[in-house]
Amino acid sequence: TQLLEQSPQFLSIQEGENLTVYCNSSSVFSSLQWYRQEPGEGPVLLVTVVTGGEVKKLKRLTFQFGDARKDSSLHITAAQPGDTGLYLCTGTASKLTFGTGTRLQVTL
Amino acid sequence: GAVVSQHPSRVICKSGTSVKIECRSLDFQATTMFWYRQFPKQSLMLMATSNEGSKATYEQGVEKDKFLINHASLTLSTLTVTSAHPEDSSFYICSAVSGGVYEQFFGPGTRLTVL
Repeated sequence: TQLLEQSPQFLSIQEGENLTVYCNSSSVFSSLQWYRQEPGEGPVLLVTVVTGGEVKKLKRLTFQFGDARKDSSLHITAAQPGDTGLYLCTGTASKLTFGTGTRLQVTL
Repeated sequence: GAVVSQHPSRVICKSGTSVKIECRSLDFQATTMFWYRQFPKQSLMLMATSNEGSKATYEQGVEKDKFLINHASLTLSTLTVTSAHPEDSSFYICSAVSGGVYEQFFGPGTRLTVL
């Protein structure tokens, strides 16, 4: 499986701050998903993006798929402690590809 | 939404024994299920892809005789860790695919501890 590079690998911020997580690859993806995983649990699907340039919003989370469908970003506005978790991107190219993960910690 | 269950959620076993983990799609039929292993504070590592009615496809470096996968029906896949050793201790997660855009629905995971 090819690798999706996520950055940053770890992010610790205070409540109310904004942040962006990036997911990059040299491969073109037919679709890309973002998940959030809390400790001791399975990942939960947040969003799927399919079209290059697509932007999707989920409350305070904004997801963007790159025009060339090789990268994606997740922007969180006014982060809350409940946003804490491991954020994973996965994409479908010739095979499923997995992100290296971004661990987010939001403190009061 | 699509729900995937795993059983057991936690298991502790002695070295040398075998452990079976079940993954079920509760409200949809999953032609494909995936098995992952996750080490602390790391991302998911794909172990194998399980297709109903056919042999599983294992990722490079994953021993197929060590990690036996059976996908007997469209709602059930099992992973058996044979002759478990302490280094097999990990968090094992399954996922099932439903729909055309490859969205995975994950189970809650199984924490395996081998003594």
